[in-house]
Amino acid sequence: AQKITQTQPGMFVQEKEAVTLDCTYDTSDQSYGLFWYKQPSSGEMIFLIYQGSYDEQNATEGRYSLNFQKARKSANLVISASQLGDSAMYFCAMREGRNSGNTPLVFGKGTRLSVIA
Amino acid sequence: DGGITQSPKYLFRKEGQNVTLSCEQNLNHDAMYWYRQDPGQGLRLIYYSQIVNDFQKGDIAEGYSVSREKKESFPLTVTSAQKNPTAFYLCASSTLTRSPQETQYFGPGTRLLVL
Repeated sequence: AQKITQTQPGMFVQEKEAVTLDCTYDTSDQSYGLFWYKQPSSGEMIFLIYQGSYDEQNATEGRYSLNFQKARKSANLVISASQLGDSAMYFCAMREGRNSGNTPLVFGKGTRLSVIA
Repeated sequence: DGGITQSPKYLFRKEGQNVTLSCEQNLNHDAMYWYRQDPGQGLRLIYYSQIVNDFQKGDIAEGYSVSREKKESFPLTVTSAQKNPTAFYLCASSTLTRSPQETQYFGPGTRLLVL
């Protein structure tokens, strides 16, 4: 079964508008971490934001915020005030387990975001 | 500047040939990882290593081999047994902590093409 599901293969957003990229996850662990990465056309993976399963508040980093709904097992990325440079692939990833810091991340298939001028 | 370097940027492989992808980091990270990315597939784990001289198979290890003789280096060999090697290969590293918050940092990737 898929651990991370990103149901939107592609999304379009108008410049300066906000956009939400969906991510649902599957785990029976109480302790886990959720990550979002951005991959521009150059191919590099850029870390954007992290949400821990025990974090009581939604994570925010500049224009990025995470809409974390634990009961629904969703961790949607919200990008506010979209810019042309936000056009990229976006990946949701998860790490499970209390002491899992040096174990690999499991990635979703990604969502391609295109920002339109 | 600290970071992860991967070379070459592009690599061409002939049928039946083994090729090696380089990954070097100067972040003093203990853990290193290799992922493969195909279009529409996201990233899939090939191998990872938490300490020198030790490594673990990932989900798609068949046809690949690795070594970890130095903390800074984690080369990946794509052997002739890998029948469909055309993909984008990403190397990553992280520190050795217990926290699930530990971020993985990625190199710029190597694109492997079969001639």
